[in-house]
Amino acid sequence: QKEVEQDPGPLSVPEGAIVSLNCTYSNSAFQYFMWYRQYSRKGPELLMYTYSSGNKEDGRFTAQVDKSSKYISLFIRDSQPSDSATYLCAMSESSNTGKLIFGQGTTLQVKP
Amino acid sequence: GAVVSQHPSWVICKSGTSVKIECRSLDFQATTMFWYRQFPKQSLMLMATSNEGSKATYEQGVEKDKFLINHASLTLSTLTVTSAHPEDSSFYICSARDDGGNTEAFFGQGTRLTVV
Repeated sequence: QKEVEQDPGPLSVPEGAIVSLNCTYSNSAFQYFMWYRQYSRKGPELLMYTYSSGNKEDGRFTAQVDKSSKYISLFIRDSQPSDSATYLCAMSESSNTGKLIFGQGTTLQVKP
Repeated sequence: GAVVSQHPSWVICKSGTSVKIECRSLDFQATTMFWYRQFPKQSLMLMATSNEGSKATYEQGVEKDKFLINHASLTLSTLTVTSAHPEDSSFYICSARDDGGNTEAFFGQGTRLTVV
């Protein structure tokens, strides 16, 4: 079993839809949770960073962490074609966010 | 945000040759940098942690003699793939964490290596 599980998709939605992306994990020691966006042939770009359980909102993006269920989510409201990318969840046991365990990534396509 | 630059962006090399990839933090110092590898449609896998002035720490299953890491300064780490083979073809990405105390690690744009 992988430490972090993420459905690779692809996920296709119409413009304006609410997108829900999810990851599950098995390591209860994970404390820091991140979502990255990666465009084709580019490095990952940090979208959201959350410590422990709870919600965090930033513009159209909301990250949720439920440590009791070992489940994290990223919601994208009013999705745009420019949101089309691969979204990777990542986790760390410590605040040393360089050493991350990534999910496989979910490919999202937002159609105009 | 901080900028991490990787060079080259892509490289094609012959089997048996060595390839060096550079990772630079352009506007901050990074005592620690990280090297990841990403195969098509797969996740990023941490290969090693690069420490300025000391030996790199390799993840289980990564051959340290094949993937040579040198972190000679606070702004530069290099990864050399020695005696490359077609199965080494992958997307190599580095990240660097600002020594200034920010928790975020910034990623380079990646290097696509193709071994023919």
